[in-house]
Amino acid sequence: DAGVTQSPTHLIKTRGQQVTLRCSPKSGHDTVSWYQQALGQGPQFIFQYYEEEERQRGNFPDRFSGHQFPNYSSELNVNALLLGDSALYLCASSPLLRGGWDEQYFGPGTRLTVT
Amino acid sequence: SQQGEEDPQALSIQEGENATMNCSYKTSINNLQWYRQNSGRGLVHLILIRSNEREKHSGRLRVTLDTSKKSSSLLITASRAADTASYFCATDETSGSRLTFGEGTQLTVNP
Repeated sequence: DAGVTQSPTHLIKTRGQQVTLRCSPKSGHDTVSWYQQALGQGPQFIFQYYEEEERQRGNFPDRFSGHQFPNYSSELNVNALLLGDSALYLCASSPLLRGGWDEQYFGPGTRLTVT
Repeated sequence: SQQGEEDPQALSIQEGENATMNCSYKTSINNLQWYRQNSGRGLVHLILIRSNEREKHSGRLRVTLDTSKKSSSLLITASRAADTASYFCATDETSGSRLTFGEGTQLTVNP
């Protein structure tokens, strides 16, 4: 049973560019959440997707957007990259429909470096 | 913003000793979860304790929750070098919604 997968593993971008990160949830999971973790800090919630809609959003600017596909996989897009966007981006999935939504399973993360 | 605060920020112990980490939070919660993270990699779920529970065990882990004090503790017994990692508490206010993480405790277990 494959867990949560994320791609790419590492990414280097230049200020002002745009980036797309991808996440495939654990089998049987229908809800995907994205978190940003700056170096030395705890993860911060970006947003959550369920049924292809943004269900909740954290305190992040509109430069951060996302999408969920019919197969429950998800993308995180960041426009006009800033140096401060350098972080580990984590995807988490949970089985909302089955009611076991408490526990969230995290992927290995994508390390984004903005230069 | 971070809701939880872990204490201590860093902890160094010898193999075989017990490690205790504490977490405090600010709002009402549905559940509290503890995660482990090795060297900036993905988070591994350790244990979930619901707001109506006071204590939970899983192997060498023991978690307590005091909702009146808005605090939780994670005890790792008979620690091993492989337990070296960062440990985070995360609160879930409405079950299945966003997790709010603390800053984490860096645990080092010396062989």
